[in-house]
Amino acid sequence: EDQVTQSPEALRLQEGESSSLNCSYTVSGLRGLFWYRQDPGKGPEFLFTLYSAGEEKEKERLKATLTKKESFLHITAPKPEDSATYLCAVRISGNTPLVFGKGTRLSVIA
Amino acid sequence: DVKVTQSSRYLVKRTGEKVFLECVQDMDHENMFWYRQDPGLGLRLIYFSYDVKMKEKGDIPEGYSVSREKKERFSLILESASTNQTSMYLCASATTSPLHFGNGTRLTVT
Repeated sequence: EDQVTQSPEALRLQEGESSSLNCSYTVSGLRGLFWYRQDPGKGPEFLFTLYSAGEEKEKERLKATLTKKESFLHITAPKPEDSATYLCAVRISGNTPLVFGKGTRLSVIA
Repeated sequence: DVKVTQSSRYLVKRTGEKVFLECVQDMDHENMFWYRQDPGLGLRLIYFSYDVKMKEKGDIPEGYSVSREKKERFSLILESASTNQTSMYLCASATTSPLHFGNGTRLTVT
């Protein structure tokens, strides 16, 4: 069965303390891996799409990377405003709906 | 910017009521989706639609139906609301990818 697993479930960082979030997937054929950010009481907001192993995307303090089995969301020198839940999702083929992981809840403490 | 608008942010309904959740997008997207989000369970797909008057069941369609009479509007219907349908409901739209989400409707069924 296709599956997307995110770890850790929750992460608490001090401001400036860099870390990484993991998204591992077991799908029969990856047609895209997506990262979203979700603030409390709001819908997920799109961050990145990665399509092939070795690909990297960056936006401010965030960098997403992709291997054949997992993706990492690296957060460099985080600030309190980076606190949110980060969701990972994969597309298996064509136009099929995304399969989401359960998310990592990140808290950055000043 | 893509705008996905859900008609209500908060809704309180009684058990047995018929409930309509409305979603409108302004980017002429072919594909629209309804998810529910619960703590510890993540995002789960209820129904989706790839075209007007088309609908496909997602992973948890029981107790729900949908309507798509116009391209920009996708409605989720709870035929007879039950307490286990208390949840955050998220609508999303896309041409191919990525998904663009609304801000959700938090539904409480008492």
